Amino acid sequence: KAGVTQTPRYLIKTRGQQVTLSCSPISGHRSVSWYQQTPGQGLQFLFEYFSETQRNKGNFPGRFSGRQFSNSRSEMNVSTLELGDSALYLCASSLEAGGTDTQYFGPGTRLTVL
Amino acid sequence: GENVEQHPSTLSVQEGDSAVIKCTYSDSASNYFPWYKQELGKGPQLIIDIRSNVGEKKDQRIAVTLNKTAKHFSLHITETQPEDSAVYFCAASKGNYGQNFVFGPGTRLSVLP
Repeated sequence: KAGVTQTPRYLIKTRGQQVTLSCSPISGHRSVSWYQQTPGQGLQFLFEYFSETQRNKGNFPGRFSGRQFSNSRSEMNVSTLELGDSALYLCASSLEAGGTDTQYFGPGTRLTVL
Repeated sequence: GENVEQHPSTLSVQEGDSAVIKCTYSDSASNYFPWYKQELGKGPQLIIDIRSNVGEKKDQRIAVTLNKTAKHFSLHITETQPEDSAVYFCAASKGNYGQNFVFGPGTRLSVLP
């Protein structure tokens, strides 16, 4: 079974631009969670989607948004990019929503904001 | 909310020795505790997990122990090999609707040949 895939793997943007990242979960998985990973803050939860609905949201500004499609694929969008948005963005998929189902991570998208 | 602490932040061991990483959590309602290994340039990979109704779980050279009373859980790696070198993250979750994982800050393990 194919793992979680994320595209693109690398992105370079400038301040003020917006970016869209994509995540395809493991086949059959209905939940997709997004995380931001930085050296200073570690792994921080952004949001979780299940059945096209946002089920939970972390403590990030409204510039960070996401959505999930009927095939469970998910996208996250960051508008008005700031230098501090430079990070590795990871998505993880699981069979069900909530927090006790095993999450499997993708390789991440490395975003650099100049 | 939940807070997860992880120690040590860095750990160096000789090949063949054992490595132990410890995490503590604050929310006694947490009931699922996975461990992830992250190699350079890759996403975290689940290596072992434990649920609160179990005190210990083992998978070959890797084991996890959970002490619910003290609210801590530990990762044990025996007979370490150079390919075990990576950053290890623990996490805790309550598993209720809408609850998600809180990760520890990570431990960088170096296995010296």
